[in-house]
Amino acid sequence: AQSVAQPEDQVNVAEGNPLTVKCTYSVSGNPYLFWYVQYPNRGLQFLLKYITGDNLVKGSYGFEAEFNKSQTSFHLKKPSALLSDSALYFCAVRDMRGATNKLIFGTGTLLAVQP
Amino acid sequence: DTGVSQNPRHKITKRGQNVTFRCDPISEHNRLYWYRQTLGQGPEFLTYFQNEAQLEKSRLLSDRFSAERPKGSFSTLEIQRTEQGDSAMYLCASSYLPSGEETQYFGPGTRLLVL
Repeated sequence: AQSVAQPEDQVNVAEGNPLTVKCTYSVSGNPYLFWYVQYPNRGLQFLLKYITGDNLVKGSYGFEAEFNKSQTSFHLKKPSALLSDSALYFCAVRDMRGATNKLIFGTGTLLAVQP
Repeated sequence: DTGVSQNPRHKITKRGQNVTFRCDPISEHNRLYWYRQTLGQGPEFLTYFQNEAQLEKSRLLSDRFSAERPKGSFSTLEIQRTEQGDSAMYLCASSYLPSGEETQYFGPGTRLLVL
């Protein structure tokens, strides 16, 4: 079965410190991986994606993610957290069965950046 | 181009009533998706359109749900005889094919509360 796991419901980090939000996946074949961010009562905003190529992907707002095939992980990272980064983060994988390209999402990780 | 828009943003209804939501995708995006997000969960796929054709429906989409995309532009999602379990955020996303690296862009969502 194709799935995504976000093992942490919440991540707490101090402003200015580096942050990591974890994601592991299970798919058949090569994965297409995505990170989205959701602010309260808002839709999802696209941050970055991995399709192929360099394992380190750079995205919006200073975020980056590292694809690790051997560990089936796609962790989201940022060198220095901002208070405004506090939000709900979702990892997703494209469903490679069929031609729909629908996304399968994890349960989300709440990032809380403290002053 | 201001992105994907959804109306209404909020809907409160009584059990048994019918509701209809609208999604306007990014212009020229030929793929349109509906997802449902319940509290504490990631979005779950409901249905997919390529242009005006509805090509896939999730098992989550009971026969009380119907979606259309006339002329391949905006889409509507109707729920008949609403139940309290239908309370959720309904998200619309669009993307462009034939980009092999297509990214789905989400609207702000319609939050439904069934009393």
